[in-house]
Amino acid sequence: NAGVTQTPKFQVLKTGQSMTLQCAQDMNHEYMSWYRQDPGMGLRLIHYSVGAGITDQGEVPNGYNVSRSTTEDFPLRLLSAAPSQTSVYFCASSYSRSNEQYFGPGTRLTVT
Amino acid sequence: SQKIEQNSEALNIQEGKTATLTCNYTNYSPAYLQWYRQDPGRGPVFLLLIRENEKEKRKERLKVTFDTTLKQSLFHITASQPADSATYLCALPSGYSSASKIIFGSGTRLSIRP
Repeated sequence: NAGVTQTPKFQVLKTGQSMTLQCAQDMNHEYMSWYRQDPGMGLRLIHYSVGAGITDQGEVPNGYNVSRSTTEDFPLRLLSAAPSQTSVYFCASSYSRSNEQYFGPGTRLTVT
Repeated sequence: SQKIEQNSEALNIQEGKTATLTCNYTNYSPAYLQWYRQDPGRGPVFLLLIRENEKEKRKERLKVTFDTTLKQSLFHITASQPADSATYLCALPSGYSSASKIIFGSGTRLSIRP
């Protein structure tokens, strides 16, 4: 079991560029989510999905898009990167919303 | 809306003592509450979940309590070791419905000195 994998580990973008952060899990979990973590702010929920084809917004969804075409994959798209999106991004999955979440290793994104 | 308050100041404890971390929430009592550990540069790792009808939960040297009157959960590490040094996060649903989003506190950094 690889658990939750995220790519890339590090990324530097220029303002206005777009990119996709990849997330995959091999535990057949229905619930997947994306968080960003900034110093002193804790983890903030960006988007989440309760199953293939179903996504919803979290606390800070602006500037990000998601889709869930398969149970395994949950990519996060930055449409037009801004310096305010400089952060560490974590993907997580769980059997259901109320179960323990398994986190990926994170992607450290810098937008200049 | 529901908010979580964790002590943002680091907690420094002598090895062998019991470390106690606090998680306070502001509104209605959640159906459950979770605790995670996060090491620098890594994703959080789940430790314990306690439900609203449980007063206490234990796992090895870890103990979690849930006091709905005080709107508080306490996380205890007994016989603390330097390897327990990390940031500890609590998480709970933002609402009472089963569709509520999970929100996290900002975490408390724990440092165990030998």
